[in-house]
Amino acid sequence: GDSVTQMEGPVTLSEEAFLTINCTYTATGYPSLFWYVQYPGEGLQLLLKATKADDKGSNKGFEATYRKETTSFHLEKGSVQVSDSAVYFCALSDRRETSGSRLTFGEGTQLTVNP
Amino acid sequence: EAGVVQSPRYKIIEKKQPVAFWCNPISGHNTLYWYLQNLGQGPELLIRYENEEAVDDSQLPKDRFSAERLKGVDSTLKIQPAELGDSAVYLCASRGGFTDTQYFGPGTRLTVL
Repeated sequence: GDSVTQMEGPVTLSEEAFLTINCTYTATGYPSLFWYVQYPGEGLQLLLKATKADDKGSNKGFEATYRKETTSFHLEKGSVQVSDSAVYFCALSDRRETSGSRLTFGEGTQLTVNP
Repeated sequence: EAGVVQSPRYKIIEKKQPVAFWCNPISGHNTLYWYLQNLGQGPELLIRYENEEAVDDSQLPKDRFSAERLKGVDSTLKIQPAELGDSAVYLCASRGGFTDTQYFGPGTRLTVL
């Protein structure tokens, strides 16, 4: 079945540091890929998405590129802020008609940014 | 546009008691999902509705969990009786149109004592 693997956390950075959170996936089809962010005590918010190979999703300074050849969708940000502290989830959506866009999530990566 | 609404936000119950969670999706979204999120893990799908029909409930523990979406709008997820292992966050999400993007509510954090 489909699966998503994220880099082990937690990740602790200083403000303005460069961020990379690795994500690789296994899928039988041709999925859409997502990054969701979860702030403490809140639900998941869509951060960015990509629907086909070589697409780059971007939002709020975060970027991720859909790499079909390496089955990866790594999240990057050039300069993190304290307000970026949260849990980040990589996910894929099975786009086969019968799946109803079922999401498969990674286990999440806790990011803490210190001033 | 209002987002996905869930209530209650927090619930504490004794084991063997029943509990229910309510979700109101984004207006016009025909697809509704319930997910279970255990501590430190990603969400896992429990059930998916297309309008009022449950089309994917293979992950729902049917001995104690039930769900309904009678008019194809809001939905209720019930656990009866609750067990200690049910302590988790229950997330509702909805999707509309031809996009595969799901929008999540804030979740209900359940603690079973």
